[in-house]
Amino acid sequence: LAKTTQPISMDSYEGQEVNITCSHNNIATNDYITWYQQFPSQGPRFIIQGYKTKVTNEVASLFIPADRKSSTLSLPRVSLSDTAVYYCLGGSGEGSSASKIIFGSGTRLSIRP
Amino acid sequence: DAGITQSPRHKVTETGTPVTLRCHQTENHRYMYWYRQDPGHGLRLIHYSYGVKDTDKGEVSDGYSVSRSKTEDFLLTLESATSSQTSVYFCAISELLLETQYFGPGTRLLVL
Repeated sequence: LAKTTQPISMDSYEGQEVNITCSHNNIATNDYITWYQQFPSQGPRFIIQGYKTKVTNEVASLFIPADRKSSTLSLPRVSLSDTAVYYCLGGSGEGSSASKIIFGSGTRLSIRP
Repeated sequence: DAGITQSPRHKVTETGTPVTLRCHQTENHRYMYWYRQDPGHGLRLIHYSYGVKDTDKGEVSDGYSVSRSKTEDFLLTLESATSSQTSVYFCAISELLLETQYFGPGTRLLVL
């Protein structure tokens, strides 16, 4: 059974680098790994997506090891506005297309001054 | 922001009554999704659609049905609402499966 697992919560301070790791134990070999950010009373918002090794955009980096059983979202120099819930999206390489759409339970990131 | 609206935004209903939630997009994306979000469970897929009249079940589809008669509209129906269906419901769209999903603002449903 495919599971997408991530820590429930994390705390950090402004200016620090934050790394959130997600495990996706049965992801298909050719599926993307995607991370989303969600603020209270809003829908999730896309942050970054990758297939392998490292991807970087203007807000984050995504590290994916060769076995692709995990991924790490890296937020450089966080600020108070990065306080949010972060979700990884993976899924299973087996079964229907719907089995590819398995979100983790979310990591609540709290940033302190 | 992607053009996605959900209606209603809030609804209170009683157990046993039918409820229909609407998702409307202006982006002409092929894929549309319905999720529910509950504390401790994150986002769970209810149903999704890959085209007009083409739908498939997700992880938590029991008690829900969907319809998509036009590209821009995806309806979620609770045939007979139960208290366990109290949740926040999100609609999302994407060009292709597993490509970037754009989420609507959500519908908060309370079943008494």
